[in-house]
Amino acid sequence: DTAVSQTPKYLVTQMGNDKSIKCEQNLGHDTMYWYKQDSKKFLKIMFSYNNKELIINETVPNRFSPKSPDKAHLNLHINSLELGDSAVYFCASSQVTSSLGTDTQYFGPGTRLTVL
Amino acid sequence: GQNIDQPTEMTATEGAIVQINCTYQTSGFNGLFWYQQHAGEAPTFLSYNVLDGLEEKGRFSSFLSRSKGYSYLLLKELQMKDSASYLCAVSAAGNKLTFGGGTRVLVKP
Repeated sequence: DTAVSQTPKYLVTQMGNDKSIKCEQNLGHDTMYWYKQDSKKFLKIMFSYNNKELIINETVPNRFSPKSPDKAHLNLHINSLELGDSAVYFCASSQVTSSLGTDTQYFGPGTRLTVL
Repeated sequence: GQNIDQPTEMTATEGAIVQINCTYQTSGFNGLFWYQQHAGEAPTFLSYNVLDGLEEKGRFSSFLSRSKGYSYLLLKELQMKDSASYLCAVSAAGNKLTFGGGTRVLVKP
């Protein structure tokens, strides 16, 4: 199936641990994103990469580090997890390559992170 | 900065019509998206408006007025499966999407 996929779907961990979430898209898109959706359901952009280059870097603690080994993958590594990091993290991708362009973003199924 | 407002919740009856309003104030504008999100699932694309006017797609229509900073999503012939959250999002430079808080629509029989 052509899609945006994420692993794991659920992640439960202790405060202070380091964890990674993986994202892959086989849509042939050039741009990938990470979003955080908190308990109040606000969906907020964290990062975007275009062809392995960082484009958007919102005000996110530097404990969060995205890594894009190739344009089909964008992983999110989180160090020293805190209680407030508990949320659903969505990966997305789109075709747009120009900073002036707009294209539909397609979302992965989400990873529900719970920090205890 | 970006500010996007939409109602928190709406209730409607199966077969009826519901209109979800979205107002925005943004420093850049490359278009407005509507997404549907069922509980525990990913947002899925519904519509995109960049020019003023109405875009119709089956039972769903979306309207945009750039001068008023206003959009609405119209859901006709409501079905039970339309119970979901509807997210309004404005696109700015770098294809950066800023989302509103979402409107939870509950369809009752």
